[in-house]
Amino acid sequence: EPEVTQTPSHQVTQMGQEVILRCVPISNHLYFYWYRQILGQKVEFLVSFYNNEISEKSEIFDDQFSVERPDGSNFTLKIRSTKLEDSAMYFCASSPRGAGEKLFFGSGTQLSVL
Amino acid sequence: ILNVEQSPQSLHVQEGDSTNFTCSFPSSNFYALHWYRWETAKSPEALFVMTLNGDEKKKGRISATLNTKEGYSYLYIKGSQPEDSATYLCAYIMNTGFQKLVFGTGTRLLVSP
Repeated sequence: EPEVTQTPSHQVTQMGQEVILRCVPISNHLYFYWYRQILGQKVEFLVSFYNNEISEKSEIFDDQFSVERPDGSNFTLKIRSTKLEDSAMYFCASSPRGAGEKLFFGSGTQLSVL
Repeated sequence: ILNVEQSPQSLHVQEGDSTNFTCSFPSSNFYALHWYRWETAKSPEALFVMTLNGDEKKKGRISATLNTKEGYSYLYIKGSQPEDSATYLCAYIMNTGFQKLVFGTGTRLLVSP
């Protein structure tokens, strides 16, 4: 069964460094998402992406964050200058036709900012 | 501020027990309600997406109902098994956002043999 894959599973970085989290969504899906969960808190929406552009973003998704679909298969989340409070589990998800249908989640990247 | 609440926060039942959880969400501007099952160290897995008031969905021993007018959904598990142990998340979508899922805190279920 097709699945969303994320790499790396764990990433440790120093505060102020740039990180890129990578995702390969399911191939025939059209909508892509990033969510995150800070330890002990709810899963929270970051951004949705459709037709090669951001369709919706949260207030968390400020200028430090960017997303890209560089080659038609990968979907990346870049954090330009990481902060301690960016430490979280980051989930990529994809959906065939948007959030009116099921989202398929990856297994997450645990980001630790030291 | 959108608030999605789930209760109970955690639940410990014996194998064979039936159980149910509640998800409360804003009754205005409703678009869809998702349920996910999330086992430790795995990806959240979609159970149901419900859009219409009165919707009832079933998958094996798990079923869900939806009341959009009063803003709640119930998830039922009949005859719980140890493999049902997981966190069950609900997520609400507004009709002004369409892509943003607002998650509840989840109900952590532990089923003992």
